[in-house]
Amino acid sequence: DTGVSQDPRHKITKRGQNVTFRCDPISEHNRLYWYRQTLGQGPEFLTYFQNEAQLEKSRLLSDRFSAERPKGSFSTLEIQRTEQGDSAMYLCASSLAGISGETQYFGPGTRLLVL
Amino acid sequence: DQQVKQNSPSLSVQEGRISILNCDYTNSMFDYFLWYKKYPAEGPTFLISISSIKDKNEDGRFTVFLNKSAKHLSLHIVPSQPGDSAVYFCAASGVGGGADGLTFGKGTHLIIQP
Repeated sequence: DTGVSQDPRHKITKRGQNVTFRCDPISEHNRLYWYRQTLGQGPEFLTYFQNEAQLEKSRLLSDRFSAERPKGSFSTLEIQRTEQGDSAMYLCASSLAGISGETQYFGPGTRLLVL
Repeated sequence: DQQVKQNSPSLSVQEGRISILNCDYTNSMFDYFLWYKKYPAEGPTFLISISSIKDKNEDGRFTVFLNKSAKHLSLHIVPSQPGDSAVYFCAASGVGGGADGLTFGKGTHLIIQP
């Protein structure tokens, strides 16, 4: 399977714990994005990488969130001191940067539940 | 302020008929538009896209129309099939795609009735 993969698919944690999610993009894609989706909403942009450089962060990305893409391949998203409001589906997408009109391909998501 | 709006939370269409899903946007800097299909507990699946230099793009049963002056796009599915039942998201991006990610609408739940 050469699509975007995410791990784990589901995570249940207690408030205050740290969690880390992993995303493996499509191999030739140089851009990687993280989104968050809550019930009844569309995905909301969190941050993106071009190769290993994190180029943009949304205001949604609080100080408790950190993302890395150390070798320009897979990426991790860590949430520290989780809160119940962090419960959501976390989606990763990848694309190949172009002059215009790049299409992002999404992974299956990681569903986080904070108790 | 929502920049991409899908005003119909749900739509019910009979199998074999045409499904038309609508999307409006407010940001005139958007220049690339995409439709995604999403099943429960899965990530969005890319369906079809259109650049702002075009007004129509077709791929099999799926056609997307763009009316830039009205800031409106629509997705037509003909003929509708039971497997088309899903939530459909309209998304938009600005020049270069990456900087602000995609901006999504809230989705329309399409139900195909036999």
